[in-house]
Order: sequence, then C-alpha cells, then structure tokens
Amino acid sequence: AQSVTQLDSQVPVFEEAPVELRCNYSSSVSVYLFWYVQYPNQGLQLLLKYLSGSTLVKSINGFEAEFNKSQTSFHLRKPSVHISDTAEYFCAVRKAAGNKLTFGGGTRVLVKP
Amino acid sequence: DTEVTQTPKHLVMGMTNKKSLKCEQHMGHRAMYWYKQKAKKPPELMFVYSYEKLSINESVPSRFSPECPNSSLLNLHLHALQPEDSALYLCASSQDRTTSTDTQYFGPGTRLTVL
Repeated sequence: AQSVTQLDSQVPVFEEAPVELRCNYSSSVSVYLFWYVQYPNQGLQLLLKYLSGSTLVKSINGFEAEFNKSQTSFHLRKPSVHISDTAEYFCAVRKAAGNKLTFGGGTRVLVKP
Repeated sequence: DTEVTQTPKHLVMGMTNKKSLKCEQHMGHRAMYWYKQKAKKPPELMFVYSYEKLSINESVPSRFSPECPNSSLLNLHLHALQPEDSALYLCASSQDRTTSTDTQYFGPGTRLTVL
C-alpha cells in the first residue's frame, strides 16, 4: 500500500513571498503524483501532475513541482504568491496500475497582505 | 473541457428522509467516483464505477446507494442517514481507470447536512 505525508498542515505566507509545500510518499511500486487545490467551499481542482518524462512540471498559474524518486518527494513551489492562492493543497499518489488515489492530509496556505 | 457538475450544491435532510445526489460529466469519461470529505480532511473514496459497473465499494454503509444510469451520470441515493454523515460529497470522473495516464477531475461537491 502507498501513503502520502504532507509535512505542514498550515503554511502562513505574505503576499509576493515564495512558498514551498512538502509532499513525501511511500510506495513499493511505481506511482504517479498529483497536486490538487481546493479553494474555500469548492471542490478539488487539478493543479499539476507527474506521469512521466521531465521531473519538473509546471502549472499555468505559476506553481511548479519536482518529482524526486530517490527522496520519494513531490514538493510544490511558487516563487511569488497572491492573496488568491489562499486554499487547501492536497498531494496525491496513484499506483501505475490502478485508479485509486491516496491523498495526503492537506496543507492549508494562508496568504497575508 | 474538464467539467464535472453536481446537484444540488447544498442539501439539508432529516434522518428519515430519502434524497439523491446527482453528478454529470460530458467528457466521455468511463470511470466515475464518489468521495466523502469531512471538514479539514482529505477526500475519502466511497465508490468507483467503471464502464457503468460498480468496481469498488470501500465498505460503505448500505444507507448510501450508488447508481450509474449511463456513462455520463452518477447518482448517490441517501436513506436513513446519521448526523455524522454530514460532509461534502465529491464526484469525480476519469477517462479510463486502466490507462496509466488516467487523471481524476472533480466536481464542486454537494454540502450535505443531516439533522
């Protein structure tokens, strides 16, 4: 079975400052990795995913994440956050053969002016 | 278009009521999912339908009854719920659960309150 650990449950950050959300996973088989964002009172939106190829993946709104197989990590970064980035961020993994997502506990990002 | 729609947005029901949640997607996806999300927690998988057949039931109580009338629609029928069933119910869909690039897209959820 796989597991996902998001080391920070809450990350307060000032507007225009950088942010990094940490995600580590454990799995005995190959996995695919996802970051989802959940804005207040909304569903989950796919932010970015790593399936294969380049280990650095980027989203259209300035987030990026790097898959590190040796450290079993998939940390999410943004160089400069906006107030609108205030949300809950979930890291998730899925076995290469299968469809069940395993979520981390989530990291709540609060962007302060 | 990666839209999954859910109705209603909010639902309040008593413990003796019968109600249904509805989910719809028009992306041609053949796998559909129900998740339950309690406050400040990650989503928990309840059911998976693949090609309109129930493929996963995560030991969900029988007061929750899923139905997949066709490949675009997914319902969740609710009966005799308990207050602890109050949560955000999320629907998701994905192209094909057997492909390695399969990605789940979520709807906005139905906020359920059981009185």
